[in-house]
Formats: sequence, C-alpha cells, structure tokens
Amino acid sequence: EAGVTQFPSHSVIEKGQTVTLRCDPISGHDNLYWYRRVMGKEIKFLLHFVKESKQDESGMPNNRFLAERTGGTYSTLKVQPAELEDSGVYFCASSQDLINTGELFFGEGSRLTVL
Amino acid sequence: DAKTTQPNSMESNEEEPVHLPCNHSTISGTDYIHWYRQLPSQGPEYVIHGLTSNVNNRMASLAIAEDRKSSTLILHRATLRDAAVYYCILRAQDDKIIFGKGTRLHILP
Repeated sequence: EAGVTQFPSHSVIEKGQTVTLRCDPISGHDNLYWYRRVMGKEIKFLLHFVKESKQDESGMPNNRFLAERTGGTYSTLKVQPAELEDSGVYFCASSQDLINTGELFFGEGSRLTVL
Repeated sequence: DAKTTQPNSMESNEEEPVHLPCNHSTISGTDYIHWYRQLPSQGPEYVIHGLTSNVNNRMASLAIAEDRKSSTLILHRATLRDAAVYYCILRAQDDKIIFGKGTRLHILP
C-alpha cells in the first residue's frame, strides 16, 4: 500500500512567485493535515481537512496560503506570492479515524526555498 | 493545548535500552499520550500512543504513570537507526497533533 506522497520534494523559487505543493494521502483516509517546519523552529500545524471540508485552518499564517482538497482526495497548498519567510519543509499527513488509533501517517515533505 | 516537557537531548549506547521521559502535569482526563519521532530528512513517524494503561507494540513500549502526569517511552534495544527527535504529545479526541521541541536521541555505536 502506498504511503502519503508529496510533490515536489524540493522547490526553489524567487520571492513573489507562486508555488503549489501537492499531497496524495493514503487511499481511504478522510483526514488530511498540512504542517510545516521553518528552519530552526518546531513543526507547526497549518490546517486539517475532513474529506473536502476544512475542519480547522487555525494554523494558516496568512491569506497568501490557500489549501484545497477538491473531491476529498488529494490536496494542494498554494503560496502566492511567496516570501522569504515561507522557506521550510511542508509536511502532509493523513489518517483514517480520529477516534480510533489516532495515528497520523506523514509524507516525506516538500522542501520550499524562496530566494 | 496541554503542554509536555522533555529533555532537549539524550544519548544511549547501541543495543542498550533507552528510556525517554516526558512530563505532562496538566494532562486532562481525555488526553491521549502520543509519541512520534522524526528521523533525519524524513517526515514524522508514529511510534505509539496510550491513555491510561501501559502499551507495547513492535517499535516500543509506553509506560504511563498511575497519575498520568508523566510517561516514558522505552526502546528496548536501540539501534543506530533509532537516532531521531522524539516527540511526546498530548492529544484530545478529535483534535490535531501539536509538536513541541522533542528530545534529540543520539545513539553511540
């Protein structure tokens, strides 16, 4: 069974450009989460989808970030326009059931470098 | 969010047991204790979780104090591959995982 996959693994862009990160969760997982780690900081929660609905987007830093999950399958996280402080590693995670095991399965992350 | 306190770093010798402590004195009755780890250049990885009773799985054991104000993650026989940052996390039902600073575990060959 395929795990959580993220694309691209690394993206280098210039300040002001747009980048879209993609996450494919494990098939059948309704819950999808985005996290990010900025250099030297802790891993921070960004938002949580249940199917196609945003359950919690309290961690989204500002309106330059837009997350979508059309059809409740894969998700995209777009940063537009990117700023220097957006550099970091963006992790996606999925889970099947909040109440039961609560185990989140993480992808390898997408490293974003903004120059 | 309920807080946890972990040592910044620990060292252990290869093939010896490792006990990673975590204090969570403000834990509520419905908070689960989760442990995740992050190996270098990888995403976080689930290790184990529990509520009140001690738990064992193929990766580790979780010992939970009777008052639930602390817990210990036990790696029974550490290998070099276990070198990682280990996160102790309190999670309420239906809530998200919140990462703290964790404990960086160094394994000495």
